[in-house]
Amino acid sequence: DVKVTQSSRYLVKRTGEKVFLECVQDMDHENMFWYRQDPGLGLRLIYFSYDVKMKEKGDIPEGYSVSREKKERFSLILESASTNQTSMYLCASSDSRGSRYTFGSGTRLTVV
Amino acid sequence: GQQLNQSPQSMFIQEGEDVSMNCTSSSIFNTWLWYKQEPGEGPVLLIALYKAGELTSNGRLTAQFGITRKDSFLNISASIPSDVGIYFCAGQGRRTSYDKVIFGPGTSLSVIP
Repeated sequence: DVKVTQSSRYLVKRTGEKVFLECVQDMDHENMFWYRQDPGLGLRLIYFSYDVKMKEKGDIPEGYSVSREKKERFSLILESASTNQTSMYLCASSDSRGSRYTFGSGTRLTVV
Repeated sequence: GQQLNQSPQSMFIQEGEDVSMNCTSSSIFNTWLWYKQEPGEGPVLLIALYKAGELTSNGRLTAQFGITRKDSFLNISASIPSDVGIYFCAGQGRRTSYDKVIFGPGTSLSVIP
């Protein structure tokens, strides 16, 4: 069964901490994405990557960075966590068509 | 930028009823997709549509790619409690890896047993 695995289901971090959210896919997909999901705002794209070491800003990249050192792994980094980054974070990967996304189960991050 | 609108925003229905929801855009899309997100999980792909006018079924779910390429519809027949969740439509303009998929805001479905 193909999978996108996010390292943590729940995280609680303090304001100002550096936070790493990890995502691994086992489908040999080129494309990987990070979204955040907030009530009433739907899915908002933070960053995406079409290849190893390649990254592109999405719609809301401020306060975030990413790393893709290996094809299967895409990490989201919050350099200095703030309370307005409390959210559900979803990782996804896609096949060569680019549209059939497989999502992870999400990481619910709370910044206190 | 491109935006998708979904209606209704939320639905409360009795078990056994049929459900209809739609997704519209001011832009043309070449691919339409429907995802379902259950509470506490990530969205899961239900149906993908690649051709204007296409009608595709997945069990009790049927989706259509609108003729104008600016809309899509999802129907669920004889709803059951496990249909509860948020249904997202999504569209892609050009069918390449380099064209981002745009997601709608979702329709929240509640099924009353």
